[in-house]
Amino acid sequence: NAGVTQTPKFQVLKTGQSMTLQCAQDMNHEYMSWYRQDPGMGLRLIHYSVGAGITDQGEVPNGYNVSRSTTEDFPLRLLSAAPSQTSVYFCASSMTSGVAGRELFFGEGSRLTVL
Amino acid sequence: GQSLEQPSEVTAVEGAIVQINCTYQTSGFYGLSWYQQHDGGAPTFLSYNGLDGLEETGRFSSFLSRSDSYGYLLLQELQMKDSASYFCAVRELSGNTPLVFGKGTRLSVIA
Repeated sequence: NAGVTQTPKFQVLKTGQSMTLQCAQDMNHEYMSWYRQDPGMGLRLIHYSVGAGITDQGEVPNGYNVSRSTTEDFPLRLLSAAPSQTSVYFCASSMTSGVAGRELFFGEGSRLTVL
Repeated sequence: GQSLEQPSEVTAVEGAIVQINCTYQTSGFYGLSWYQQHDGGAPTFLSYNGLDGLEETGRFSSFLSRSDSYGYLLLQELQMKDSASYFCAVRELSGNTPLVFGKGTRLSVIA
């Protein structure tokens, strides 16, 4: 019973490097999203998708790209890492974006450090 | 847009009852959700209020009043394992909208 799987769990990058955080879900959920969590800031939405081929920006999208080519996968790309992107990243999915999607299922998180 | 306000920290004694409030500003939303997150872990879903009133799940209850733009999470018979952060969240009605979270309330249960 995998649920939402994020990889890698830990990553250290140097400023300017690029990388992709992977997220996959096996629940056939339409809705997927990425959040970052910093101390005292709660969960801030980066990007979200309501279905394959559809993505939209959240509260803090700058410096990040996403794509949704399949229902299962929703990778998050850091184009040129900056120390301000040091954070814990969570991928989450739900059945839909409406009332039926009231429960969001989270991955275990990816802890990223940018030096 | 929407904004949700929660107290940043709450401390309560083991065995007691604690209430975590959430006030919000949004034009219309599906319902109010609550999530729990232990240190180092991922948030997990606790409860959902689609209608006004109280929803009970074991030791946890959640309440919503749309007319007062207010909800709360009530934890009874507190246990040490309830020490965690608690987040309220809403999803607006208009179109395909994401779930937006409050900044969270850190609950510390003390002996």
